[in-house]
Amino acid sequence: AQSVAQPEDQVNVAEGNPLTVKCTYSVSGNPYLFWYVQYPNRGLQFLLKYITGDNLVKGSYGFEAEFNKSQTSFHLKKPSALVSDSALYFCAVRLNNAGNNRKLIWGLGTSLAVNP
Amino acid sequence: GAVVSQHPSRVICKSGTSVKIECRSLDFQATTMFWYRQFPKKSLMLMATSNEGSKATYEQGVEKDKFLINHASLTLSTLTVTSAHPEDSSFYICSASADRVSDTQYFGPGTRLTVL
Repeated sequence: AQSVAQPEDQVNVAEGNPLTVKCTYSVSGNPYLFWYVQYPNRGLQFLLKYITGDNLVKGSYGFEAEFNKSQTSFHLKKPSALVSDSALYFCAVRLNNAGNNRKLIWGLGTSLAVNP
Repeated sequence: GAVVSQHPSRVICKSGTSVKIECRSLDFQATTMFWYRQFPKKSLMLMATSNEGSKATYEQGVEKDKFLINHASLTLSTLTVTSAHPEDSSFYICSASADRVSDTQYFGPGTRLTVL
């Protein structure tokens, strides 16, 4: 079955330290990969995506993610965490083929807490 | 750019009544809109995908007669929860996409439905 895994329910990091939120996927073909963030009581915001090309993708708010095809991973990273980065992060995958009605397969989310 | 609004943001209704939620793309034309349900601290559950001018595609287990979706224009989709019951209480989120290549979805702020 096609799926997206975010192995950590919660990630805690001290402000100023680098952060990583992990995502692995199991889909056939060449997927499109996305990261979204949900701040408390707000809608999801698009952070970044990988379609093709350079494996390192840079996105909003200083976040970046690296596509690793051999490990089927797309981990989200930031060199220096801010308290304001505390939020719920979702990884999603879209199948790159016709007839899939363009829907995304979502991970269960990882709650990031950045401590002052 | 890519702003999506939802109305209302919060609604409380009595059991047995119907509730309509509007989703609008404010600064772009959305070829596809998606409706999700999100439970507390849980991932998104896709309910249906709708393309402008055609019938919505519902996910398995979602009752199409209970959750009526209309996508009348390229900027507006509505979700009507008919004969709502307390178990329908949830956070409903819409997203819109105009990007035919990678399908980046832009999300509305969500609607909190409480059925008494």
